[in-house]
Amino acid sequence: NAGVTQTPKFQVLKTGQSMTLQCAQDMNHNSMYWYRQDPGMGLRLIYYSASEGTTDKGEVPNGYNVSRLNKREFSLRLESAAPSQTSVYFCASSDRTQRDTIYFGEGSWLTVV
Amino acid sequence: SQQGEEDPQALSIQEGENATMNCSYKTSINNLQWYRQNSGRGLVHLILIRSNEREKHSGRLRVTLDTSKKSSSLLITASRAADTASYFCATRTIGGTSYGKLTFGQGTILTVHP
Repeated sequence: NAGVTQTPKFQVLKTGQSMTLQCAQDMNHNSMYWYRQDPGMGLRLIYYSASEGTTDKGEVPNGYNVSRLNKREFSLRLESAAPSQTSVYFCASSDRTQRDTIYFGEGSWLTVV
Repeated sequence: SQQGEEDPQALSIQEGENATMNCSYKTSINNLQWYRQNSGRGLVHLILIRSNEREKHSGRLRVTLDTSKKSSSLLITASRAADTASYFCATRTIGGTSYGKLTFGQGTILTVHP
């Protein structure tokens, strides 16, 4: 089982460049999430999608946009990258039938210079 | 601000010893979960305890929840070098409209020496 797959694994961007992080899950989950992880800050929710066709802001949405392309895929876009967006990004998914358990991808390391 | 805060921030023990990590939170919760993260990897769900439960076991893991003190503890018994990882508590607050919309703490880094 692939679970949650996110790409790319590593990326270096220049300030002002744009990029999209891709995420796909093969567990038929309804809900998907994008978190960022910074040293000493734990994980912070950027955006989430409770179900196909809906997206909502999380704790730190500024500077990001998302698209729930279909039930499997949830992408995160940085329109104009800033050094403050240097972080590790995690995509995740969950389903109500599994009672709140979140399944995470392996992470995408993004550096903005 | 973080809903969950773990204590200690780092813990170093010898193989075979028990490891205890604590988590405190601020608002009323529906459930509390513990996750593990190996270096350079994603988080993996370990155990979930509901607000009406006081203790739960899973293999070498024991989780307690004290809602009056808004705190939880994770005990790993007979630790192994392979238990070396970061451990995070995560809470789902009452009234949350989206399953899985959790708030994570900052984590405890556990190092188990062979």
